[in-house]
Amino acid sequence: QQQVKQSPQSLIVQKGGISIINCAYENTAFDYFPWYQQFPGKGPALLIAIRPDVSEKKEGRFTISFNKSAKQFSLHIMDSQPGDSATYFCAAEETSGSRLTFGEGTQLTVNP
Amino acid sequence: NAGVTQTPKFRILKIGQSMTLQCTQDMNHNYMYWYRQDPGMGLKLIYYSVGAGITDKGEVPNGYNVSRSTTEDFPLRLELAAPSQTSVYFCASSWELAVRNEQYFGPGTRLTVT
Repeated sequence: QQQVKQSPQSLIVQKGGISIINCAYENTAFDYFPWYQQFPGKGPALLIAIRPDVSEKKEGRFTISFNKSAKQFSLHIMDSQPGDSATYFCAAEETSGSRLTFGEGTQLTVNP
Repeated sequence: NAGVTQTPKFRILKIGQSMTLQCTQDMNHNYMYWYRQDPGMGLKLIYYSVGAGITDKGEVPNGYNVSRSTTEDFPLRLELAAPSQTSVYFCASSWELAVRNEQYFGPGTRLTVT
């Protein structure tokens, strides 16, 4: 059972545009929602994360929007750049857990 | 500080062979993880460990074994390799008490079973 569903699977955006990636979860015990960024040939790295006590978190051009009632959260990349081209994974973790459940990943391509 | 290191980077195995994927971290993290990554499937947890001597199964443990004799090392053993184990394997570590609860990933091992 896939507990975190991510869409779209791939996304192509023009330089300067907004990239939006969405995730939905089922487990109401999840209380930590990170996004990981992975460049080709590398391991994933933490990009930004949110806890459900806030509805939005912004770090530079990257923003997480969180809707607790809908059990959805999304990553917005403003002013997308070719250097943002990577695979992005959303994830979720339970309060008492030490394990992350990852979404399927979104391959983002930003055209110059 | 090398972070999380994995060896080898690439490996080709024949069906039925065995091998050990090595993972070492130098950050004194107590939690360590093994994932496999298949196209369009995200990262699936194979095994994890919350400290030396303690291991537990993740989502897809069949065909794999692990051990954690030290804080630094967390090797993954493949017995009787099968084509379904063709994948990219990532080791990760984290610190239980970290505020950001961040997992640090190694560079991965690309394994092909033919």
